[in-house]
Amino acid sequence: DAKTTQPTSMDCAEGRAANLPCNHSTISGNEYVYWYRQIHSQGPQYIIHGLKNNETNEMASLIITEDRKSSTLILPHATLRDTAVYYCIVRVGGYSGAGSYQLTFGKGTKLSVIP
Amino acid sequence: DSGVTQTPKHLITATGQRVTLRCSPRSGDLSVYWYQQSLDQGLQFLIQYYNGEERAKGNILERFSAQQFPDLHSELNLSSLELGDSALYFCASSVDPVLGYGYTFGSGTRLTVV
Repeated sequence: DAKTTQPTSMDCAEGRAANLPCNHSTISGNEYVYWYRQIHSQGPQYIIHGLKNNETNEMASLIITEDRKSSTLILPHATLRDTAVYYCIVRVGGYSGAGSYQLTFGKGTKLSVIP
Repeated sequence: DSGVTQTPKHLITATGQRVTLRCSPRSGDLSVYWYQQSLDQGLQFLIQYYNGEERAKGNILERFSAQQFPDLHSELNLSSLELGDSALYFCASSVDPVLGYGYTFGSGTRLTVV
């Protein structure tokens, strides 16, 4: 699986958009970008994923650059409850045969939403 | 409630002892994963089971073992415990290990070895 690089920490004002970057310059054509978050000592929570198109759901938007070497997770209106560690994970996805396919978590970005 | 149930939530035990952590996956999920998270450390993948069979091993110590039973619940056994084994242990489940989304994590078991 391709490695990812994320800033160690970020701050965001409450009500503003939080933009969390992730670099994955060695991503392969069959690898997806997944975002999970972990709110203080709770189990990680799935947020969103994408292959090459931008994606949006009720939680966030995912913007993937055309060359797929980087992506940005956008929380449109950050709240205090969004304070968490955000993990960007690149991994083979889809039906591509048998395998283990576990998620490998890095250090992530600690997002602090400030009142 | 994520649908993944882990018991117990907290466990305090002495060095050298053996403990068993239990995980009930979300209904319909066939795959179970175990992760360890030590203080200030990231989530370390330990082991994965799919429909009763071991599928992958990560950084799991020989003192640790796991299994998945026919009803799909899983147990992680930790033996000869050391102080350094103190950590949060998470279980996750998914319906299909191939998909990277849809992994549902439990609330974890906090193990303290004294």
